Amino acid sequence: AQSVTQLDSQVPVFEEAPVELRCNYSSSVSVYLFWYVQYPNQGLQLLLKYLSGSTLVKGINGFEAEFNKSQTSFHLRKPSVHISDTAEYFCAVSLYTGNQFYFGTGTSLTVIP
Amino acid sequence: NAGVTQTPKFQVLKTGQSMTLQCAQDMNHNSMYWYRQDPGMGLRLIYYSASEGTTDKGEVPNGYNVSRLNKREFSLRLESAAPSQTSVYFCASSEGMPLYEQYFGPGTRLTVT
Repeated sequence: AQSVTQLDSQVPVFEEAPVELRCNYSSSVSVYLFWYVQYPNQGLQLLLKYLSGSTLVKGINGFEAEFNKSQTSFHLRKPSVHISDTAEYFCAVSLYTGNQFYFGTGTSLTVIP
Repeated sequence: NAGVTQTPKFQVLKTGQSMTLQCAQDMNHNSMYWYRQDPGMGLRLIYYSASEGTTDKGEVPNGYNVSRLNKREFSLRLESAAPSQTSVYFCASSEGMPLYEQYFGPGTRLTVT
């Protein structure tokens, strides 16, 4: 069975500080990995994705994530956050051989002025 | 391009009533999805349609039915609403599965009393 675990449900961080949002997954087959962001009262938007190749992927708004196969992790990072980064962040996986996405429970990032 | 549109935006139903949530996309995508979002549970897949003419159950299909009316439209029907179906419902679409990103609609907030 596949699962996606986001270890932190809420992360408060001061403006201009760095942040890391953690994501671990379990799967018996190879996966594609995604991070989505959801601003209040909106749908989800893609931040970045890992399909293959370099394990460090860069996304929009200065976010990046690193795929670590041995630790089955795909943590999201930003070196300096802004107030506008306050949102819910979701990690998701899809299987090489499957037709479904599996989402984590989300991490609420609050940037404090 | 409007992307993915959903109607209605808000709905209140009484237990036992039925309703259909509408979703349309104008990106010529092959695959479409219905999710529900509940606090602390992330997004859970209800049904998906890998391509026009096909539909499959996701993680939480009980109490729902879907219709892939054509390539653009994918509707979700609640035949007899229950309070447990109070949720925010998101429709999404993608070029295909499994490595293409999903594009989400703005959501429908449904309350069943």
